[in-house]
Amino acid sequence: KAGVTQTPRYLIKTRGQQVTLSCSPISGHRSVSWYQQTPGQGLQFLFEYFSETQRNKGNFPGRFSGRQFSNSRSEMNVSTLELGDSALYLCASSVGFQETQYFGPGTRLLVL
Amino acid sequence: QKEVEQDPGPLSVPEGAIVSLNCTYSNSAFQYFMWYRQYSRKGPELLMYTYSSGNKEDGRFTAQVDKSSKYISLFIRDSQPSDSATYLCAIAGAGKSTFGDGTTLTVKP
Repeated sequence: KAGVTQTPRYLIKTRGQQVTLSCSPISGHRSVSWYQQTPGQGLQFLFEYFSETQRNKGNFPGRFSGRQFSNSRSEMNVSTLELGDSALYLCASSVGFQETQYFGPGTRLLVL
Repeated sequence: QKEVEQDPGPLSVPEGAIVSLNCTYSNSAFQYFMWYRQYSRKGPELLMYTYSSGNKEDGRFTAQVDKSSKYISLFIRDSQPSDSATYLCAIAGAGKSTFGDGTTLTVKP
């Protein structure tokens, strides 16, 4: 089975721009979670989607949003980018809600 | 207080050593216990997962869960330079997943 894929792998943006990241889960997995990882803060939970519904949300501002499509693919969007948004954004999928998660390689975002 | 506390490290050991990585958690509602390995500039890779107290072995790796003490451990036997990575513990249940901050391990040849 193919693993979790994320696109793009690397991205450079400037402050104030917006960005959309994409995640394709493992075939058959219906739950997708997004995380932000930085050296200082570790792995921070953004949100989790299951069957196109957001089930959980972390403590991030409203500039961070996401959605899930009927084929379980997910996107996250960050609007009005700030320098502090520079991070590795990781997507993880699982068969069901709150089960063992498998991570993608991540999208490394640099905000200048 | 964080829901999962992981021994911070970093940890540096000689090749062949036994490594012990440890986490404690506070919420007894957590049901799933995982260990991930993350190489530099890569996504975390699931190493092991378990749902119950006791030991689970996979090759050189043993995951141990003690629900009564809310303590989880990962043991690596005969450590190799290729084991050099950051190890993250994770627990799930009660409607969420929570990760430790990671322990960076270096195995020196």
